[in-house]
Amino acid sequence: NAGVTQTPKFQVLKTGQSMTLQCAQDMNHEYMSWYRQDPGMGLRLIHYSVGAGITDQGEVPNGYNVSRSTTEDFPLRLLSAAPSQTSVYFCASSRPGTGGAGYTFGSGTRLTVV
Amino acid sequence: AQRVTQPEKLLSVFKGAPVELKCNYSYSGSPELFWYVQYSRQRLQLLLRHISRESIKGFTADLNKGETSFHLKKPFAQEEDSAMYYCALSGGSNYKLTFGKGTLLTVNP
Repeated sequence: NAGVTQTPKFQVLKTGQSMTLQCAQDMNHEYMSWYRQDPGMGLRLIHYSVGAGITDQGEVPNGYNVSRSTTEDFPLRLLSAAPSQTSVYFCASSRPGTGGAGYTFGSGTRLTVV
Repeated sequence: AQRVTQPEKLLSVFKGAPVELKCNYSYSGSPELFWYVQYSRQRLQLLLRHISRESIKGFTADLNKGETSFHLKKPFAQEEDSAMYYCALSGGSNYKLTFGKGTLLTVNP
């Protein structure tokens, strides 16, 4: 049982490039979220989804797009990378009714934008 | 709006000493409070949730609604407790988990 799988683990981008961070879960969880982790800022919610075809913005959505065509996958797209997007990105999934305790986190993607 | 405040960015104690990581929250309804732990370069793991009122790895946390606090305590810190600790709140829409900024705990030998 893989849980939440994020790829790639590391990525270096040049300013202006675009890329997609992949997130997949095999637990049939309806809820999926993307967070970014920055020193001194904790984890901030970027986008979240409550089910296939439904997404919404979190606290820091600018510069990112998401889609949820299947229950399993929740990719995060950087449209035009900026140095301010240098961060560690975590994907998480949860089953309805379990609240925060039900969140399973991926191992993270460390992104550097130069 | 929901907000979580962890006033200490860094906390350093000696092995065997008591440790308390502070967490205060702001939420108008009935929140669910959690502590997550992240060991060096690992993924976040759930440590405690207030509903279960359990003790994990010697840590406990009590929800104080009057003081809107959910402090994490351990009577005798161990070196392996060194990690980043995040307090988190889930509000009415339980798919949204709001984190504090974290406290880096260092337990010195």
